[in-house]
Amino acid sequence: QQQVKQSPQSLIVQKGGISIINCAYENTAFDYFPWYQQFPGKGPALLIAIRPDVSEKKEGRFTISFNKSAKQFSLHIMDSQPGDSATYFCAASDGGATNKLIFGTGTLLAVQP
Amino acid sequence: DTGVSQNPRHKITKRGQNVTFRCDPISEHNRLYWYRQTLGQGPEFLTYFQNEAQLEKSRLLSDRFSAERPKGSFSTLEIQRTEQGDSAMYLCASSPYGGAKNIQYFGAGTRLSVL
Repeated sequence: QQQVKQSPQSLIVQKGGISIINCAYENTAFDYFPWYQQFPGKGPALLIAIRPDVSEKKEGRFTISFNKSAKQFSLHIMDSQPGDSATYFCAASDGGATNKLIFGTGTLLAVQP
Repeated sequence: DTGVSQNPRHKITKRGQNVTFRCDPISEHNRLYWYRQTLGQGPEFLTYFQNEAQLEKSRLLSDRFSAERPKGSFSTLEIQRTEQGDSAMYLCASSPYGGAKNIQYFGAGTRLSVL
């Protein structure tokens, strides 16, 4: 019940295309859903995050869509660029005393020029 | 604000040796987390500090692992009698207590290789 399932494992998109990464969860206590971007040799960096009281959040080319009833959320990267090539992780937190994050297994995105 | 700093960046050790990693969080961040990341996986929670108090430990944190955060500032993670299965990236994250408490800022990690 603590898992966050992420797909696809890898994704190849042409420059200018839309990248879509999906995540699903079971624990209805989760109340915070961030997406992290990680480049090789670096730590994860927060990209965008959403709470379950909204269905969509957009920041620049990055959009989170959230479906509370289906317990699913997704990251959309519009106008994908080669510089977006990285590993993307979805995560969830139950807002408990620790706010620890439960991460998905990651999606390796390659944007071809 | 220089971000979360972790040292060393890389550590190679022989099986059975002890290793210690250090994390310097963003100043004034009360919350500090340690995660472990193996190749091709997402980070997994190890332990959490609020100021100097260690409030949660994952079952992943065996008796060979110990973490401290003296005076609520930097933190250390020690692994005793290392095993090859300990090879991983050890990530530290910090977070403010309050409005933005969910936002965790990660360091670049310490990559441990146990030979």
